[in-house]
Amino acid sequence: DSGVTQTPKHLITATGQRVTLRCSPRSGDLSVYWYQQSLDQGLQFLIQYYNGEERAKGNILERFSAQQFPDLHSELNLSSLELGDSALYFCASSASLGTQYFGPGTRLTVL
Amino acid sequence: DAKTTQPPSMDCAEGRAANLPCNHSTISGNEYVYWYRQIHSQGPQYIIHGLKNNETNEMASLIITEDRKSSTLILPHATLRDTAVYYCIVRINQGGKLIFGQGTELSVKP
Repeated sequence: DSGVTQTPKHLITATGQRVTLRCSPRSGDLSVYWYQQSLDQGLQFLIQYYNGEERAKGNILERFSAQQFPDLHSELNLSSLELGDSALYFCASSASLGTQYFGPGTRLTVL
Repeated sequence: DAKTTQPPSMDCAEGRAANLPCNHSTISGNEYVYWYRQIHSQGPQYIIHGLKNNETNEMASLIITEDRKSSTLILPHATLRDTAVYYCIVRINQGGKLIFGQGTELSVKP
């Protein structure tokens, strides 16, 4: 158990819909990272927050957005969903900018 | 793009040492070598990391060559539960994202 929690575990929705994925980092960790893992693209970095501020962006679509709240939990919002957004979404956290520890992931299925 | 090269797959007999190689010939002086593994579709699990000295923890040992252009992850007594995809990643320790390559799929066989 890494100490990082993600909800929900599974999410099934339809094209065009909007969903929110939630991540609670390990106690005391200030940094949160989001990654997407699809069958054809492997694990890809989406976005990083540090103590509430966006710090780095990766291959994140404009339809996707994220934020980190004062209690340090983070949410990833995915809108206008397409079939190709079906993937595993992982959150990771780290103390300062060190070793990242991953949560169990949310499996998103878009029908 | 990932800065590392790993064999796509390896087999190991249960109880034997698993030695997973990684090439990172363009590694910079301030970049660390990190190893993660992913069992089935679970979240990647941190194993170990190092800069230039060999490292050991309760899970594995990391051997980094003197020129730092390659490394080897050693699982001393592999079990069936070590079957996973192993990722070697280079990253500055104060940096952000991890760039995952394709990794090595390790199959531990009875």
